[in-house]
Amino acid sequence: QSRLTQPPSASGSPGQAVTISCTGTSSDVGGYDFVSWYQQHPGKAPKLIIYEVIKRPSGVPDRFSGSKSGNMASLTVSGLQAEDEADYYCTSYAGSKTVVVFGGGTKLTVL
Amino acid sequence: EVQLVETGGGLVKPGGSLRLSCEASGLTFSIAWMNWVRQAPGKGLEWVGRIYSKTDGGTTEFAAPVKGRFSIARDDSKNTVYLQMNSLKTDDTAVYYCTTYDHHKFVNWGPGTRVTVSS
Repeated sequence: QSRLTQPPSASGSPGQAVTISCTGTSSDVGGYDFVSWYQQHPGKAPKLIIYEVIKRPSGVPDRFSGSKSGNMASLTVSGLQAEDEADYYCTSYAGSKTVVVFGGGTKLTVL
Repeated sequence: EVQLVETGGGLVKPGGSLRLSCEASGLTFSIAWMNWVRQAPGKGLEWVGRIYSKTDGGTTEFAAPVKGRFSIARDDSKNTVYLQMNSLKTDDTAVYYCTTYDHHKFVNWGPGTRVTVSS
C-alpha cells in the first residue's frame, strides 16, 4: 500500500488546466523538497517530468509545473493537449536508507 | 544520450530463478546508483531495489516483498547491472525497469523486460 496518496483519475478538456495531488506525511513530502513526478504512456517506460518539487528536466514543456504545500505536492498540467493523456506517478525522498515509495498513480484523461 | 537496455525476461515457473541484465551507455556508469522498478500488469510502479556505486560503498537495498529472494550486482567493466531473482512467486509477474537514480530522482529508464511467473 502506497504511503503517497494520489487520486486514481483526473480529467480535463483540451486547453484546460488539471491538477493532480500527492499526499504524504511530514516524514516524506512535508519534510523534504525532493518530490518528483513521472509520466507514463501506455506500454512505455516512465519519464521524469518534475523533480525537486518545481524543477523541469530539459525538454519537458513548461505546461507542466509542480508545487508543494505542507504534506501535499501537486502537479499541474496547463493548456491540456491530447498527448498529455497518460498515467502520472509521484515519489518523495523520505530520509536515507528508507525504501522508495511511489504514489498509486493517477490516470489523466483528456476529454 | 543515456541508454539503458534490459534483457533476460521470460516465462518461469513458481519457485524458479531468473537473472535480468541492464546494459548502460552514455553515462559514467561506475558512479551511477542503479535501481530496479517493476510494474505488475494493470498496476502502478513499485520500487524493487538499488545498488550504490562502489565509491559509495557498493551496497544494496531492497523492498520488503523481495528482500531475501532478490539480489543486485554490478559489473562496472561491462556497464551492466544485474537483478538475480530467486524463489519467484506469481506476484513477481511484472515488467521490470532499470533506472538511474540521482539526487533523489529516477532520471533515465530502460524500455523494460517482461517477467511472467506461471505454472
